[in-house]
Amino acid sequence: DAKTTQPPSMDCAEGRAANLPCNHSTISGNEYVYWYRQIHSQGPQYIIHGLKNNETNEMASLIITEDRKSSTLILPHATLRDTAVYYCIVRGLYNQGGKLIFGQGTELSVKP
Amino acid sequence: AAGVIQSPRHLIKEKRETATLKCYPIPRHDTVYWYQQGPGQDPQFLISFYEKMQSDKGSIPDRFSAQQFSDYHSELNMSSLELGDSALYFCATGRLTTNEKLFFGSGTQLSVL
Repeated sequence: DAKTTQPPSMDCAEGRAANLPCNHSTISGNEYVYWYRQIHSQGPQYIIHGLKNNETNEMASLIITEDRKSSTLILPHATLRDTAVYYCIVRGLYNQGGKLIFGQGTELSVKP
Repeated sequence: AAGVIQSPRHLIKEKRETATLKCYPIPRHDTVYWYQQGPGQDPQFLISFYEKMQSDKGSIPDRFSAQQFSDYHSELNMSSLELGDSALYFCATGRLTTNEKLFFGSGTQLSVL
């Protein structure tokens, strides 16, 4: 079963920051938080992942709370092409064979 | 850069037929994961392999089987196809012993008529 909870949908204005929350209150100490997104009928695309420190790359920033029970994915300047379903996934390398378990995800709609 | 390659991209079969889906990982990736995604559904984990051995099993029907070969490519074999097997099938590959991300292929769209 998925170990994360996300809002089913969110809207964001083009050019504004999109902040996507995720709750993972049962996360274990050796589990990472991964974010993937899926544009309609395409393969899921990796965005970012982290353990406990905040992370930033060319696509997004990941903010993980100190207790690691929740995190926020930030798309700093959302574009129409960022419209997709965003999945927050807790992944353990060894206790689950490293697989990604997809939950409901958040359907982000970026509007002009 | 090389990506995960899946073939075929589209497949049309009739009920009770068989189908074989193939997944070619990125070089040096030792782990393959198979997922099924029905219309409007989230991807569901089916099965995974690490170093050519089955490492985990999810909601994979008994009619389905899979294996990973010596060159690390993987095949998902589906027999006695049913209408409900119509879905997108993705594979993802990675290296289990590192914390690197998993890469997904573009998927195979299977339609059972």
